[in-house]
Amino acid sequence: GQQLNQSPQSMFIQEGEDVSMNCTSSSIFNTWLWYKQDPGEGPVLLIALYKAGELTSNGRLTAQFGITRKDSFLNISASIPSDVGIYFCAGFGRGSNYKLTFGKGTLLTVNP
Amino acid sequence: EPEVTQTPSHQVTQMGQEVILRCVPISNHLYFYWYRQILGQKVEFLVSFYNNEISEKSEIFDDQFSVERPDGSNFTLKIRSTKLEDSAMYFCASRRGGSIEKLFFGSGTQLSVL
Repeated sequence: GQQLNQSPQSMFIQEGEDVSMNCTSSSIFNTWLWYKQDPGEGPVLLIALYKAGELTSNGRLTAQFGITRKDSFLNISASIPSDVGIYFCAGFGRGSNYKLTFGKGTLLTVNP
Repeated sequence: EPEVTQTPSHQVTQMGQEVILRCVPISNHLYFYWYRQILGQKVEFLVSFYNNEISEKSEIFDDQFSVERPDGSNFTLKIRSTKLEDSAMYFCASRRGGSIEKLFFGSGTQLSVL
């Protein structure tokens, strides 16, 4: 099956710093999604990417769909304490019936 | 903003008991999903459902699991005889349908099997 490798596993940063995390896939994905999960909550969609090379922003968040269609990154600029949480990449390939494959997540801690 | 709602938020059960987890997808959505997340691990696909039938299921979704859309609004996951390893957060998700898609998740039901 499709595998997603997400890195880093965890990050500890100071408020105001920028942060970057990425995912690589063993196979081609048609769609990449980035979610944030707070403790005890469901994943909340941050950014959706649909085309290779696509660069999309949502406030301080920017994500890109890699041109090989096997990778994606998420950047957060000027981090704030409420950015704390687990960030998951997820995607699906052609014919997957929107069955998402998730990465293992990046735990972000922001020190005020 | 419309959202996927799940009840209960927490469910504690004895091993071997049946549980039913309930979800109300977003009202105009047509495709429904169950995912689960064991503590500290990634979210895993269980099953997808469309037009009153299962579209796809994972290896996790064995004979002990079933899904149902008993009416026009609810979507349920039943585990017939729970095992300790069924303890996890179960997420319901839904999407509208179409070429450009976003999958929306509920807040989850934390199932603890004792």
